[in-house]
Amino acid sequence: NAGVTQTPKFQVLKTGQSMTLQCAQDMNHNSMYWYRQDPGMGLRLIYYSASEGTTDKGEVPNGYNVSRLNKREFSLRLESAAPSQTSVYFCASSEKARHPTNYGYTFGSGTRLTVV
Amino acid sequence: RKEVEQDPGPFNVPEGATVAFNCTYSNSASQSFFWYRQDCRKEPKLLMSVYSSGNEDGRFTAQLNRASQYISLLIRDSKLSDSATYLCVVNNKARSSASKIIFGSGTRLSIRP
Repeated sequence: NAGVTQTPKFQVLKTGQSMTLQCAQDMNHNSMYWYRQDPGMGLRLIYYSASEGTTDKGEVPNGYNVSRLNKREFSLRLESAAPSQTSVYFCASSEKARHPTNYGYTFGSGTRLTVV
Repeated sequence: RKEVEQDPGPFNVPEGATVAFNCTYSNSASQSFFWYRQDCRKEPKLLMSVYSSGNEDGRFTAQLNRASQYISLLIRDSKLSDSATYLCVVNNKARSSASKIIFGSGTRLSIRP
């Protein structure tokens, strides 16, 4: 089925470890995003890529880096994980950077990350 | 004050009931509005856009009140399958590009048999 695929689904890291969250979409969307979701808070944008070859910071970029590897793939890297990065991470894609009225964002199924 | 605020609930209503909840936004220049649905431990999915004149999609009605800066979602004849968290999403014109899409923290709805 067409959509957004995220890996891994679950991960436990020790403080200071690094890891990369992978995201791929097969809908030929131009824009891709990384969000984190914490209890009692809305989804917060970490980084986004409006189109292949560009990346920009969102609301909470500190401690993260991203790579738009090609049109399909957008990865999120934690260089030195901290307990404050314990969260659920969602990758999303859309046809355009601005919210398309009819189709919205398509989200991946999420990565539950725990940093101990 | 949060840019987008929602009552976290939970709203606990019997099957068949009508339920409504609101979402307030702080930026009067906000341009577009949406409701997403998120099931427990799942990703958000677009439920419906909210148009200025109000709009319906089956049992769901969305309305916008620009004067009071809120949007609402009404669910008629509620089903057990409507149990979920409903996220309000606002396009905040004051921000740039993708970062101007603001998600509320959600209202949890539980439908009981």
